[in-house]
Amino acid sequence: AQSVAQPEDQVNVAEGNPLTVKCTYSVSGNPYLFWYVQYPNRGLQFLLKYITGDNLVKGSYGFEAEFNKSQTSFHLKKPSALVSDSALYFCAVREWGSYIPTFGRGTSLIVHP
Amino acid sequence: SQTIHQWPATLVQPVGSPLSLECTVEGTSNPNLYWYRQAAGRGLQLLFYSVGIGQISSEVPQNLSASRPQDRQFILSSKKLLLSDSGFYLCAWTPGQGGGTEAFFGQGTRLTVV
Repeated sequence: AQSVAQPEDQVNVAEGNPLTVKCTYSVSGNPYLFWYVQYPNRGLQFLLKYITGDNLVKGSYGFEAEFNKSQTSFHLKKPSALVSDSALYFCAVREWGSYIPTFGRGTSLIVHP
Repeated sequence: SQTIHQWPATLVQPVGSPLSLECTVEGTSNPNLYWYRQAAGRGLQLLFYSVGIGQISSEVPQNLSASRPQDRQFILSSKKLLLSDSGFYLCAWTPGQGGGTEAFFGQGTRLTVV
């Protein structure tokens, strides 16, 4: 079985400060890991993914995430937050060979001017 | 390029009425297709998925059903809506070969049952 936990319902950060949105996962085998962003009343948009290789992956809009196998984490980061980054962020995992991605509950990111 | 279309964008339906939401994918063949529901608590609940025409797997027993009459068409239905069916419904697809490809989402349907 696969699962994802996003321990924070909401993250608040000031514009210009670095941000981190946390994600931990659980799979029986090897994971594919993803981050998505959702704006109000819209579908999810893909940000970045980890498949294999470098533990630090870079994605859209300046976001990056670090895969940590020993801690089973895949935290989303950005060096300098923008007000326009305010949105709902989802972490997802799919085990190799599985058809079904499992999503976390989402973390609301609020960037204050 | 691949695109996904989902409609309608919003829908207000009375309790007991039928439902039909449609999702189509363009630019790919044999996709895996998914229906999710996002309630006010914002988590995504997988309702159905399909890996081929006529193949539907239900994740949560409920008042809804799904069908895949064509390779790139996925329909979510109900014979009689309940108040609890209100929510934001999302269709998504992944390539049929699997692998590390991300899911692509439609724009969603906001369903309000009154």
